[in-house]
Amino acid sequence: DIQMTQSPSSLSASVGDRVTITCRASRGISNNLAWFQQKPGKAPKSLIYAASTLQSGVPSKFSGSGSGTDFTLTIGSLQPEDFATYYCQQYNSYPYTFGQGTKLEIK
Amino acid sequence: EVQLVQSGAEVKKPGESLKISCKASGYSFTTYWIGWVRQMPGKGLEWMGNIYPGDSDTRYSPSFQGQVTISADKSISTAFLQWSSLKASDTAMYHCARLRRTVAGTLFFDYWGQGTLVTVSS
Repeated sequence: DIQMTQSPSSLSASVGDRVTITCRASRGISNNLAWFQQKPGKAPKSLIYAASTLQSGVPSKFSGSGSGTDFTLTIGSLQPEDFATYYCQQYNSYPYTFGQGTKLEIK
Repeated sequence: EVQLVQSGAEVKKPGESLKISCKASGYSFTTYWIGWVRQMPGKGLEWMGNIYPGDSDTRYSPSFQGQVTISADKSISTAFLQWSSLKASDTAMYHCARLRRTVAGTLFFDYWGQGTLVTVSS
């Protein structure tokens, strides 16, 4: 199985900050990487696929980059609604695997 | 508008059987894969398996193979996740999600259901 490792596991930031979350795959996955946002008690929301393509309706302050084994999610100008847990997921091969999550908290 | 509406919360006893559902609308049900994802209390997301309702082709995670059954009924645009004998460790939120195919043939999640909470307790 491909292991997905996110860092950091938690992150404190202020409204207006720009933050970056990293996701590393244990072997190359091309650009077959997705990012999700999840708020407490809610379903995940799809943000990005193909490492850098925004899902329909996702604001442009979210951006993704990377290919192979190293990927990043950047969120610009944090607003209160952005504080949530973020997951990466590889869909290059079965079984699909998720990172352990990064909890973004208000400082 | 694409929607996935999941069945309501369930409380069951160990050893009981259960089938939860995910009803799709707003798109052609038979031409997109549907996946199931488990989230245990306070934990992360785990992929369980995918089904292609067009021909019922199903792929399971090795962690869930033999533990659950994924199925679909084209006539009612609904996917199912079922257990024949629940354990306390099956207590979790279960999410269904639609998958879109890339040009390269890989599949990524786009739309999600609201989740079904399954509680297994004696």
